[in-house]
Amino acid sequence: EPEVTQTPSHQVTQMGQEVILRCVPISNHLYFYWYRQILGQKVEFLVSFYNNEISEKSEIFDDQFSVERPDGSNFTLKIRSTKLEDSAMYFCASRASGGLIYEQYFGPGTRLTVT
Amino acid sequence: AQSVAQPEDQVNVAEGNPLTVKCTYSVSGNPYLFWYVQYPNRGLQFLLKYITGDNLVKGSYGFEAEFNKSQTSFHLKKPSALVSDSALYFCAVRDSINTDKLIFGTGTRLQVFP
Repeated sequence: EPEVTQTPSHQVTQMGQEVILRCVPISNHLYFYWYRQILGQKVEFLVSFYNNEISEKSEIFDDQFSVERPDGSNFTLKIRSTKLEDSAMYFCASRASGGLIYEQYFGPGTRLTVT
Repeated sequence: AQSVAQPEDQVNVAEGNPLTVKCTYSVSGNPYLFWYVQYPNRGLQFLLKYITGDNLVKGSYGFEAEFNKSQTSFHLKKPSALVSDSALYFCAVRDSINTDKLIFGTGTRLQVFP
């Protein structure tokens, strides 16, 4: 069964450093998302991406964040200058085209620890 | 504003007994409702969804959920719990108008005892 994959599973970085989190969505999906879950809190939407551009973003997704689909398979989230409060589990998701009735499929997550 | 409430942090049930995990929602339009399960060190796995049609929807692993528009609820149920059902369950909603993002509840930890 196809699945969303994410690398690395755990990333430790120092405050102020740049990090890139990588995702490989399900191959025939066209809509891509990033969510995050701070330890002990709910899963929060960050950004959605379709047709090589951001379609929606949350207040969390400020100028420090960017997303890119550099090739036909990868979808990346970049944090330019990490802060302590960026420590969280970051989930990538994708869904098929055809309307909002389709569910989003999530990857296993990347745990980001900022020290 | 859209929101989802899961009033119980934890639900405990004996194996073989029926289980219910509660969820209520608030949206401005017609809701699209989802249940996801998270096992330790794993991502969110899709269980089932309600888009339209029958109020009782069936999903993976024997789970089902009942949509109740008047009570704005979408409770997850299973007639006979298994120890392997122990996990974290998230309810999510998507407003059918103008947005593709999922709004998640805080999650309910289900513990099934042998």
